[in-house]
Amino acid sequence: KAGVTQTPRYLIKTRGQQVTLSCSPISGHRSVSWYQQTPGQGLQFLFEYFSETQRNKGNFPGRFSGRQFSNSRSEMNVSTLELGDSALYLCASSLKSLAGGRTDTQYFGPGTRLTVL
Amino acid sequence: AQTVTQSQPEMSVQEAETVTLSCTYDTSESDYYLFWYKQPPSRQMILVIRQEAYKQQNATENRFSVNFQKAAKSFSLKISDSQLGDAAMYFCASPGRTETSGSRLTFGEGTQLTVNP
Repeated sequence: KAGVTQTPRYLIKTRGQQVTLSCSPISGHRSVSWYQQTPGQGLQFLFEYFSETQRNKGNFPGRFSGRQFSNSRSEMNVSTLELGDSALYLCASSLKSLAGGRTDTQYFGPGTRLTVL
Repeated sequence: AQTVTQSQPEMSVQEAETVTLSCTYDTSESDYYLFWYKQPPSRQMILVIRQEAYKQQNATENRFSVNFQKAAKSFSLKISDSQLGDAAMYFCASPGRTETSGSRLTFGEGTQLTVNP
């Protein structure tokens, strides 16, 4: 079974621009979660989508948004990029939603490294 | 707040020896999984082992095992017969829930493991 895939792997943008990252989950997985990883803040939860609905959201500004399609693929969008948005963005998929009680095992993609200049 | 604490930012071990990485967590969930992930230089987050909190028996996966102390909320990872390929950042993760973000996985700050030949 193919793992979680993320595209693109690397991105360089300038301040003020917007960016869209894509994540394809493991086949059959309906939950997709996004995390931001930086040296200073570690791994921080952005949001989770399950069956095309946002189920959970972390403490990030509204510039960070996402969506999920009927095939469970998910996109994350960051508008009006700031230097502090430079990070590794990780996507993880699982069978069940995190909101369903016992947290299901999450499998991660290779990440998208975003650099904002 | 739901927290995960890894008190050892760095650890080193000689090849073929055993090392234990520590983790304490704080969750209000009653039925949950705990996880250890490793992140090698490629930055791919890889699941190492999972523990079901309602099981008293400690999980084992080949050379990896955990020491789970539910009352103490302690979840340490033991790596036996360490190999050079075990060198990575190791993250402990537990479920957390807040009023604003709902249920999600919370990660510790990580322990950087070096394996010396």
